Amino acid sequence: GAGVSQSPSNKVTEKGKDVELRCDPISGHTALYWYRQSLGQGLEFLIYFQGNSAPDKSGLPSDRFSAERTGGSVSTLTIQRTQQEDSAVYLCASSSPWQLAGGADTQYFGPGTRLTVL
Amino acid sequence: LAKTTQPISMDSYEGQEVNITCSHNNIATNDYITWYQQFPSQGPRFIIQGYKTKVTNEVASLFIPADRKSSTLSLPRVSLSDTAVYYCLVGDIENSGAGSYQLTFGKGTKLSVIP
Repeated sequence: GAGVSQSPSNKVTEKGKDVELRCDPISGHTALYWYRQSLGQGLEFLIYFQGNSAPDKSGLPSDRFSAERTGGSVSTLTIQRTQQEDSAVYLCASSSPWQLAGGADTQYFGPGTRLTVL
Repeated sequence: LAKTTQPISMDSYEGQEVNITCSHNNIATNDYITWYQQFPSQGPRFIIQGYKTKVTNEVASLFIPADRKSSTLSLPRVSLSDTAVYYCLVGDIENSGAGSYQLTFGKGTKLSVIP
């Protein structure tokens, strides 16, 4: 079946502009995650959605970052007034209910969106 | 949230068995251990997951001692295509709800397979 998809694959923007990054999770997956990965670094957790619960925003680096998930499916990560330090690959992942998957959460990642802020 | 420690990098020749050890001294009772693999310009990919003892699948084996304070990912007879970054994660989503769950991938172990 279809995996996690993200768009755009690449985004180049100017400092100060707003950007929106989109994630389409695997159908039926109730959990959705956003991560950021700077060049040569590990993944930095940003935000986590689980079903209809309030999202865990504890990883968002500043109030310029926000995310929403409509209808429990598609998610949009918005970065306002982008800065050069926002340049990174933004990865989205989704997972099925743990009770069905067995054990702990297994995440399926999309290909990422490479954001470059000039 | 259990912190993990892995070697930054490892080198291996083709055909050898590679063992990558991850330390997680403060692992909690409900925590599982999960390993992911990431190739350049791709998102991480699930490899294997375990709770205790040994788990084996078509890709790798995961060895977890009785105290669960460490785990070892074993890749049999590596090839050039196994060159990637390997991440060890420890966590429990079973009893967490929104506001309490967070994943830390860290920098992982960069495995370089040499011809």
